[in-house]
Amino acid sequence: RKEVEQDPGPFNVPEGATVAFNCTYSNSASQSFFWYRQDCRKEPKLLMSVYSSGNEDGRFTAQLNRASQYISLLIRDSKLSDSATYLCVVPRLTGGGNKLTFGTGTQLKVEL
Amino acid sequence: DAGVIQSPRHEVTEMGQEVTLRCKPISGHNSLFWYRQTMMRGLELLIYFNNNVPIDDSGMPEDRFSAKMPNASFSTLKIQPSEPRDSAVYFCASSLRTSSRPYNEQFFGPGTRLTVL
Repeated sequence: RKEVEQDPGPFNVPEGATVAFNCTYSNSASQSFFWYRQDCRKEPKLLMSVYSSGNEDGRFTAQLNRASQYISLLIRDSKLSDSATYLCVVPRLTGGGNKLTFGTGTQLKVEL
Repeated sequence: DAGVIQSPRHEVTEMGQEVTLRCKPISGHNSLFWYRQTMMRGLELLIYFNNNVPIDDSGMPEDRFSAKMPNASFSTLKIQPSEPRDSAVYFCASSLRTSSRPYNEQFFGPGTRLTVL
């Protein structure tokens, strides 16, 4: 199993729709997780951190299922500006290090 | 507040030439990361430093790649000699690592788009 796996998409949704992405991870000891957003030809930027069962920020909700080892990102009332690639990020637990493992990303296209 | 600064933003060079990428992390951050991003392999960690000390360089592709961090405010990634397969976007990121939160948010620079002809 890969450290982090995501459906690459693309997810094409109409404006106003609700869309959800899932991400699975292999290391059951992972404690904190992140969703990053990357616009075309730009750098990744933090969207949300998930340190417990979940987190909500406006239209965005991240949920963590430790038993099944997956993290989800839900976007409600999607907007054209939400079009981007969403990267699931999991800590890589190795000897005192603080590396993060980035998934390959899920592409979202919000259309009129 | 200034974010992570990288230079150059774009670099076009010929195979065999030396390439040096530069990074200035966010002031006060104690961890620095170098990543490479391509369509085929996504975002790959090359090397990272904690308190200017290289901790893990297992992601460095081969001996042609080297990285230094002479002080807390500057790092370089050097490729010598460069090859066409090194063409990618190279990102530098920094974070503040604490004992209570070792996996903190990483802030990325705008990247250097490298093309090796």
